[in-house]
Amino acid sequence: AQSVTQPDIHITVSEGASLELRCNYSYGATPYLFWYVQSPGQGLQLLLKYFSGDTLVQGIKGFEAEFKRSQSSFNLRKPSVHWSDAAEYFCAVGAHGNEKLTFGTGTRLTIIP
Amino acid sequence: DVKVTQSSRYLVKRTGEKVFLECVQDMDHENMFWYRQDPGLGLRLIYFSYDVKMKEKGDIPEGYSVSREKKERFSLILESASTNQTSMYLCASSLNGGYTFGSGTRLTVV
Repeated sequence: AQSVTQPDIHITVSEGASLELRCNYSYGATPYLFWYVQSPGQGLQLLLKYFSGDTLVQGIKGFEAEFKRSQSSFNLRKPSVHWSDAAEYFCAVGAHGNEKLTFGTGTRLTIIP
Repeated sequence: DVKVTQSSRYLVKRTGEKVFLECVQDMDHENMFWYRQDPGLGLRLIYFSYDVKMKEKGDIPEGYSVSREKKERFSLILESASTNQTSMYLCASSLNGGYTFGSGTRLTVV
């Protein structure tokens, strides 16, 4: 069975600083990997996804993520965060040919001035 | 823009009531999902559907049922609401792995 671990429940970052959110997955073959963002009181919005090919994936809002098979990781990065990036971030894993996703427990990001 | 609409943002229901949560998508997606979201637990899959009149149990189906009579509509039913079903409910539809989520329904059972 597939699973996702987001080891950081809450991260605080200064505005303008760089960000890395961690995601580790468990899956027997090459997974589909996703990052979603949820603003307070809202549904989830897709930031980026990895299916195959280039392991460095670019997404919306200046985010990127890198798939590292050897580490079973798909960490999300942003070089300089903005106050509007404060939200909850979810990593998710899926299987080829199967639309069902398994989500991590989320990382809440707080931005301080 | 693709859209998933959940009919209610907030609901308050009494214990034992039958509750219907409605979800409509306008993207002609075949796949639709119901998740519940609770602090510290992330999103947990309740039920999903790959086609009209088709449904499969997710990870936590107990106490819930679903209906998909038309491709665009996927309903979640709480047969007899209980306080432990107080939660945020999220509907999603997908094509090729990319989910589009609704804004969620926050259900409180009193």
